[in-house]
Amino acid sequence: EAGVAQSPRYKIIEKRQSVAFWCNPISGHATLYWYQQILGQGPKLLIQFQNNGVVDDSQLPKDRFSAERLKGVDSTLKIQPAKLEDSAVYLCASSPSLAGGEPRHGYTFGSGTRLTVV
Amino acid sequence: DAKTTQPPSMDCAEGRAANLPCNHSTISGNEYVYWYRQIHSQGPQYIIHGLKNNETNEMASLIITEDRKSSTLILPHATLRDTAVYYCIVRAPFRNTDKLIFGTGTRLQVFP
Repeated sequence: EAGVAQSPRYKIIEKRQSVAFWCNPISGHATLYWYQQILGQGPKLLIQFQNNGVVDDSQLPKDRFSAERLKGVDSTLKIQPAKLEDSAVYLCASSPSLAGGEPRHGYTFGSGTRLTVV
Repeated sequence: DAKTTQPPSMDCAEGRAANLPCNHSTISGNEYVYWYRQIHSQGPQYIIHGLKNNETNEMASLIITEDRKSSTLILPHATLRDTAVYYCIVRAPFRNTDKLIFGTGTRLQVFP
């Protein structure tokens, strides 16, 4: 099966500019996650979608970050305006598991988008 | 917050078994233990998971203590390509789905 696709692979922008990342999850996966990974740290969950609805966005800096998953498939994550501290790798993951039962599958991650804010 | 504790780094000789410990003393009865690894410049890769029984697959073995408060990931014959950061994660039910919260992981260095 095809993996989780993310684009672009790399992006360099100046502070105060805006940027958008795109994710195409594995076909049929109901749950989609965006993580932020700062150099030397583990991935931090930003937002979680179940189909096209937001399940958890408690860690998303909503004054500058936004995300959507129209039609419950692809998703975009936007930053506007960017700050220097937003420099990180942004990872998208998807999972087929729903409530209850054994989660037979792990999450599948994309390769990420490396954002550098200068 | 992450519910797991791991040593920040470990070394292992090529061909030997790598045993990576993880403490998850506050784990609940319905929460699974997952292991992922992240090789430089790639997204995390699923390795193995378990609830209370020991598990083995083509990549590794997972040993979970009887009280479920800790576990050990075993790479039976480590190779240089196993050099990576290994994350032990408790997969917790959340509303009508679940979530993975990563800690800082263990950086495993396999040397020749």
